[in-house]
Amino acid sequence: AQKITQTQPGMFVQEKEAVTLDCTYDTSDQSYGLFWYKQPSSGEMIFLIYQGSYDEQNATEGRYSLNFQKARKSANLVISASQLGDSAMYFCAMRERYNNNDMRFGAGTRLTVKP
Amino acid sequence: DGGITQSPKYLFRKEGQNVTLSCEQNLNHDAMYWYRQDPGQGLRLIYYSQIVNDFQKGDIAEGYSVSREKKESFPLTVTSAQKNPTAFYLCASSILGETGAGETQYFGPGTRLLVL
Repeated sequence: AQKITQTQPGMFVQEKEAVTLDCTYDTSDQSYGLFWYKQPSSGEMIFLIYQGSYDEQNATEGRYSLNFQKARKSANLVISASQLGDSAMYFCAMRERYNNNDMRFGAGTRLTVKP
Repeated sequence: DGGITQSPKYLFRKEGQNVTLSCEQNLNHDAMYWYRQDPGQGLRLIYYSQIVNDFQKGDIAEGYSVSREKKESFPLTVTSAQKNPTAFYLCASSILGETGAGETQYFGPGTRLLVL
């Protein structure tokens, strides 16, 4: 069963503007972790941000923040002040507490930042 | 610098040939993972290992084999039984913590496998 859904195959944003990349997930576990990764054209996966299911505050890392809505099972990534170097594929992933070696990835969203 | 290295960057396989992808980490991580990525798709787990000399199958283990003789190394062999091996292969590692869910996986640069 699909556990991570990213509904936006591609997104465009103007340089210096903010953009939100959507992610919804499905789990019956109470304890889980949500992750966002960036994959530039070189191919490596770069870890961006983590949100734990019990964290009360939304995670933030520099220009990245995670809009975590637990009841809606969504974990959207917000990138503020977009830069040309932000153009890449972005993947949402989830890891469940009692299945902690199984990180499930979404299909990804390709973000293009326009000058 | 600490990190994960994968080699080679590109690998070509002939029909009926087994090939081995290398993955080494110096992060002192207990857990290591292999993923396959097909064009335009997310990652799928092939194998993972939590400890030396032990490993478990992921979702798409058929046609692949692994070994974990050292903590630092987790090579993946793509056997001739894997009929569609052309893909991008990513190795990752993480600590094994108490929470289970929060341990971030860190990735190597990947190996692109092509069939001749």
